[in-house]
Amino acid sequence: EPEVTQTPSHQVTQMGQEVILRCVPISNHLYFYWYRQILGQKVEFLVSFYNNEISEKSEIFDDQFSVERPDGSNFTLKIRSTKLEDSAMYFCASLVRGNTEAFFGQGTRLTVV
Amino acid sequence: QQQVKQSPQSLIVQKGGISIINCAYENTAFDYFPWYQQFPGKGPALLIAIRPDVSEKKEGRFTISFNKSAKQFSLHIMDSQPGDSATYFCAASLNFGNEKLTFGTGTRLTIIP
Repeated sequence: EPEVTQTPSHQVTQMGQEVILRCVPISNHLYFYWYRQILGQKVEFLVSFYNNEISEKSEIFDDQFSVERPDGSNFTLKIRSTKLEDSAMYFCASLVRGNTEAFFGQGTRLTVV
Repeated sequence: QQQVKQSPQSLIVQKGGISIINCAYENTAFDYFPWYQQFPGKGPALLIAIRPDVSEKKEGRFTISFNKSAKQFSLHIMDSQPGDSATYFCAASLNFGNEKLTFGTGTRLTIIP
């Protein structure tokens, strides 16, 4: 069964450092998303990406965040200068245009110390 | 208006019993209502979904009941099993699966023998 894969599974970084979270969406999917889940809380939308551009972003997704699809397969989330409050699970999701189901990756646990 | 409210926060059900989780929404423009199941350390996985043109959808032991006038929908798990122990999130989106998902706060379900 096709799946969304994310790397790394766990990243620890010092406050102020840049991190890049990587995702490989399902190959024929066209819509890509990043969500985050602070421990014990709900899953929150960060950004959606379609046709090589951001289609929507939440208020969480400020200037410190950026997304990229550098090579047609990977989909990355960059946090330029991490803050303690960025500690969370980050989930990548993808779906086929017109499909009802969003497929989520297993997540990257980001810990900012 | 974009929020989805979910209850209860946690639920303990005996094996073989019925688990019921409720959600309510405000935005009448939502037209896709999925339920996601999440096991510890994993990403959310689609369990079952419904659109507002039907009042009920059943897949195996899982049923969504949808009340459009009350803006409420619920997940019923019949004959609950220990393997159903997980966190369940309701969600809603504006388009037929292509839009961002707005998640409820989650329900931690524990099935006891």
